[in-house]
Amino acid sequence: LAKTTQPISMDSYEGQEVNITCSHNNIATNDYITWYQQFPSQGPRFIIQGYKTKVTNEVASLFIPADRKSSTLSLPRVSLSDTAVYYCLVGGNTGKLIFGQGTTLQVKP
Amino acid sequence: NAGVTQTPKFQVLKTGQSMTLQCAQDMNHNSMYWYRQDPGMGLRLIYYSASEGTTDKGEVPNGYNVSRLNKREFSLRLESAAPSQTSVYFCASSASTLNTEAFFGQGTRLTVV
Repeated sequence: LAKTTQPISMDSYEGQEVNITCSHNNIATNDYITWYQQFPSQGPRFIIQGYKTKVTNEVASLFIPADRKSSTLSLPRVSLSDTAVYYCLVGGNTGKLIFGQGTTLQVKP
Repeated sequence: NAGVTQTPKFQVLKTGQSMTLQCAQDMNHNSMYWYRQDPGMGLRLIYYSASEGTTDKGEVPNGYNVSRLNKREFSLRLESAAPSQTSVYFCASSASTLNTEAFFGQGTRLTVV
């Protein structure tokens, strides 16, 4: 299973763009990269998933370089409600969805 | 559409007691998962079920058993609860093990005293 490494925490201010990078040096050919968001006292919520290049949805963008050894979750113009823990997962063909420690994002007014 | 429903939401057990955490999904998903989350930590996979009739160990299976009762339901049993099992337990489901978009329940907060 590919292990992921993310920053433990990040701070930002309202209205700024936030980029959270995840390292996954041992990603396998069949692995997808998936990001989840978790608010306190709630279960994680799927944000975005990608295999290569760039994926964008109404919530975020995901940038994946050609070597796929890292990925960057981009949150445009964050608000206070984006304060949460963000998890990067790599996998999809083993049945095991393994979560790392995640990145705690604190958005300040 | 309820999604993933877990019961109970809260539970206090004495050391050595047993209990079963229930999980049901109404999305016709094939795969289901049980996680635990200790305070300030990430989620750790306990067991998962790729499809009805199959179960496999995750990262931290010791002290737990699971049953995939049917396609909808996946239960987690603690045979002899220990204080180290105090945690929040999350159940999740996904269309298949090839699909990493999982849907989570609201969690069961378990305290073992």
